[in-house]
Amino acid sequence: GAVVSQHPSRVICKSGTSVKIECRSLDFQATTMFWYRQFPKQSLMLMATSNEGSKATYEQGVEKDKFLINHASLTLSTLTVTSAHPEDSSFYICSAAGQPYGYTFGSGTRLTVV
Amino acid sequence: GENVEQHPSTLSVQEGDSAVIKCTYSDSASNYFPWYKQELGKRPQLIIDIRSNVGEKKDQRIAVTLNKTAKHFSLHITETQPEDSAVYFCAASKGKDSSYKLIFGSGTRLLVRP
Repeated sequence: GAVVSQHPSRVICKSGTSVKIECRSLDFQATTMFWYRQFPKQSLMLMATSNEGSKATYEQGVEKDKFLINHASLTLSTLTVTSAHPEDSSFYICSAAGQPYGYTFGSGTRLTVV
Repeated sequence: GENVEQHPSTLSVQEGDSAVIKCTYSDSASNYFPWYKQELGKRPQLIIDIRSNVGEKKDQRIAVTLNKTAKHFSLHITETQPEDSAVYFCAASKGKDSSYKLIFGSGTRLLVRP
C-alpha cells in the first residue's frame, strides 16, 4: 500500500528559530499534499494544500509567510515553521494524494517550541 | 465555507454494546465521506468510507450510513471491544478524487468499558 514518511517525528526548538518538516511519498507520486495541524484533544485543522510545482493554497487565518510550504517534486513536500513561538507547538501531519491511492497520512511531527 | 459537525464529543459504552457517531456536512457538493480512528500521538487510520452514490456500507463490525438529502452520515460500531477505544473523526470531501481537501469533524472520544 501507499506509504508516506514524515520527519522528524519529534522536534524541540528555541523560540525564534525555524523548523523544517519533510513528507515523502515512498511508492507513489503525490500530486497533492495537504498539511494539517492538530492541537491536543482537538481535530485536524487544514493549514494548506499544495500541488507539485505550484504555490500552496492556504486556509483562512493561516499565515503563509510563517508556514512556508514547498512541493518541488512529486515525492517531497516540506513545511517550514519560521520564527517559531510557543503557541506554534502542535502536532503537524501531512497527507499525500496521488493515483491510484487515496489520502495517505504521514506519521506526524510533534513540535515543541521552548 | 465547508463545515463538518460531529456528535457526540465523548461516548462511553459497555463492551459488547453498539456505538453510533453522527456527522453533518454543509456543502451539498461533498461526495466522499471517510471515517478515521486515531490513537494518541499517531496518524489517523482509515476504517471505512462511503461515496455519495451509496447509502450504506458495511465491513464486519463497522458500518456507515449516508443520507444525502439531510446531509448527514453516521458510523455504527457493533459488539464493541476495549481496543475500539480511541478518537474517531468523520471527514468530507467534494472532489472527484483525493486531490481535493478533506475537512474533518471535531472528533469523538470513544471509551469501551470492559
